[in-house]
Amino acid sequence: NAGVTQTPKFQVLKTGQSMTLQCAQDMNHNSMYWYRQDPGMGLRLIYYSASEGTTDKGEVPNGYNVSRLNKREFSLRLESAAPSQTSVYFCASIPGGQPISYEQYFGPGTRLTVT
Amino acid sequence: AQSVSQHNHHVILSEAASLELGCNYSYGGTVNLFWYVQYPGQHLQLLLKYFSGDPLVKGIKGFEAEFIKSKFSFNLRKPSVQWSDTAEYFCAVNAGPNTGFQKLVFGTGTRLLVSP
Repeated sequence: NAGVTQTPKFQVLKTGQSMTLQCAQDMNHNSMYWYRQDPGMGLRLIYYSASEGTTDKGEVPNGYNVSRLNKREFSLRLESAAPSQTSVYFCASIPGGQPISYEQYFGPGTRLTVT
Repeated sequence: AQSVSQHNHHVILSEAASLELGCNYSYGGTVNLFWYVQYPGQHLQLLLKYFSGDPLVKGIKGFEAEFIKSKFSFNLRKPSVQWSDTAEYFCAVNAGPNTGFQKLVFGTGTRLLVSP
């Protein structure tokens, strides 16, 4: 069991470039999340997918799009990167449904720098 | 909107000292509360969680937290810290668990440095 995997680990982009961050989980979890982590701001939810085929905005969705490709994979796309999107991005998953007491399982993160 | 406050941004302790990290949330209804830890270079992992029942919750590695509803608090404690507890600690709340879905709001985190 690899758990939650993310690619790439590091990425440097120029302003205006686009890229997709990949996330996959092999735990048969229903729900998946994308967060960004910035110094002094903790983790903020960008988008989430309660189940395959559904996605919803979180706290900071502007500038991002997501795709829940199948039950395993949940990708995050930056269409036109901006320096304000420099951050560490974490993907997480959870079994979903009831009960909702499960812990979220986090991936190792992608460190993105936009110059 | 729900929010979570962690008042201590940086804490420095010597080994064997006692630890208490504060966490307050703003939400008047039923809440589920979590503490996550991020060790240097690693991803977040769960320390402990509160859903119902005994407000004193025990987690891994000797950590515990107490839910005080009247104070909207969920402080994390450890009687004697070790150098290996050096990490960043995040409090999180799932407000509105009756929705049947978990959507966490995280605090800004507390960086703990334990000196040997």
